Amino acid sequence: KAGVTQTPRYLIKTRGQQVTLSCSPISGHRSVSWYQQTPGQGLQFLFEYFSETQRNKGNFPGRFSGRQFSNSRSEMNVSTLELGDSALYLCASSLGGGALMNTEAFFGQGTRLTVV
Amino acid sequence: GQQLNQSPQSMFIQEGEDVSMNCTSSSIFNTWLWYKQDPGEGPVLLIALYKAGELTSNGRLTAQFGITRKDSFLNISASIPSDVGIYFCAGQLYGNQFYFGTGTSLTVIP
Repeated sequence: KAGVTQTPRYLIKTRGQQVTLSCSPISGHRSVSWYQQTPGQGLQFLFEYFSETQRNKGNFPGRFSGRQFSNSRSEMNVSTLELGDSALYLCASSLGGGALMNTEAFFGQGTRLTVV
Repeated sequence: GQQLNQSPQSMFIQEGEDVSMNCTSSSIFNTWLWYKQDPGEGPVLLIALYKAGELTSNGRLTAQFGITRKDSFLNISASIPSDVGIYFCAGQLYGNQFYFGTGTSLTVIP
């Protein structure tokens, strides 16, 4: 079955602009998580959506937002871009489910965002 | 958010050598996952562990879920050049939030 698909693969934006990234999870997966990866900071958790609701949130400013659609596809938006937002943005999909459910997370190839 | 302590931070080894890396946490987890990431790509899941004490292999890779549920180990036997990359551990306690290690960068010298 198809893996996690992220679009676009690469983006170049200027400071002050906004950007929207897309993630299509594995078919049947209802949870989508977003991460920011930079060389010095590793994988930083942004937020997780399950059944169109934000279930968990990391420590990022309000300029970072997301949403999930009824088909589980998710988008992430960053407004008023700053140079420090340049990073690889990764999404991961998993089955999701209850608190006692063991799950595995599968990553997309990422979107490389460069802010100039 | 919580981050796991992963060591070593980097490794330079000769082809054919065995590799060991580990991940520790101050909190317990119900699931431990190990990933490998190539430059510019997303992490790829290598091994998933679900039970304390569990030992699981995937080819030349072997991982263990620590008895205390606060640590996990990954071993790679007889390393080859394509093992080069960054290895991440991840722990999950409840819900669907995963906590990631800081990564171990592996370089294999032919």
